[in-house]
Amino acid sequence: EVQLVESGGGLVQPGGSLRLSCAASGFTVSSNYMSWVRQAPGKGLEWVSVIYSGGSTYYADSVKGRFTISRHNSKNTLYLQMNSLRAEDTAVYYCAMGRIAGIMDVWGKGTTVTVSS
Amino acid sequence: EIVLTQSPATLSLSPGERATLSCRASQSVSSYLAWYQQKPGQAPRLLIYDASNRATGIPARFSGSGSGTDFTLTISSLEPEDFAVYYCQQRSNWPPGYTFGQGTKLEIK
Repeated sequence: EVQLVESGGGLVQPGGSLRLSCAASGFTVSSNYMSWVRQAPGKGLEWVSVIYSGGSTYYADSVKGRFTISRHNSKNTLYLQMNSLRAEDTAVYYCAMGRIAGIMDVWGKGTTVTVSS
Repeated sequence: EIVLTQSPATLSLSPGERATLSCRASQSVSSYLAWYQQKPGQAPRLLIYDASNRATGIPARFSGSGSGTDFTLTISSLEPEDFAVYYCQQRSNWPPGYTFGQGTKLEIK
């Protein structure tokens, strides 16, 4: 069964750091297009970052320079390193897999990040 | 940056009725347009990709059309489980990245 399970969310102070993980099963992370998408409380979906199967990475302007997407092939896991966190980064963070570029056809259940003092 | 604008913001219909949701892009996205459904407390679910292709397991009452800047998601006859929020999403080559529309809430009338 194809599955994604996020972890690593929690409460962090403004300016702090957090690393999210997304463990995949039933498919190979490095062979697909892996994304992070977030949703602030009561708001819509916001794309955060994507790593292509070839290794190229792209970011939304709102997180560029602060967040880093990566993957660990042998652990079949996707990561999102989040630095210099701000209150506006508070959201549910979903990881998602796309078999082709541009789509997200398998989603995890999400992990909640709260940035507050 | 490409902006996606969805309309209407809220659509009130009854089961059995036809739903038509719109998504307009600020510049051409070719056919790189997807639609997702999200129910409260759940992750989004892919419905349509490349403007008109149904994802695996999606019922035939869901269909997508359009290309360039104007796209439509149609639900031919609403079932009770279809009431949810719908998002369109595009992939751009430059600047590279994805964008979501702000969503359309489909509610029971």
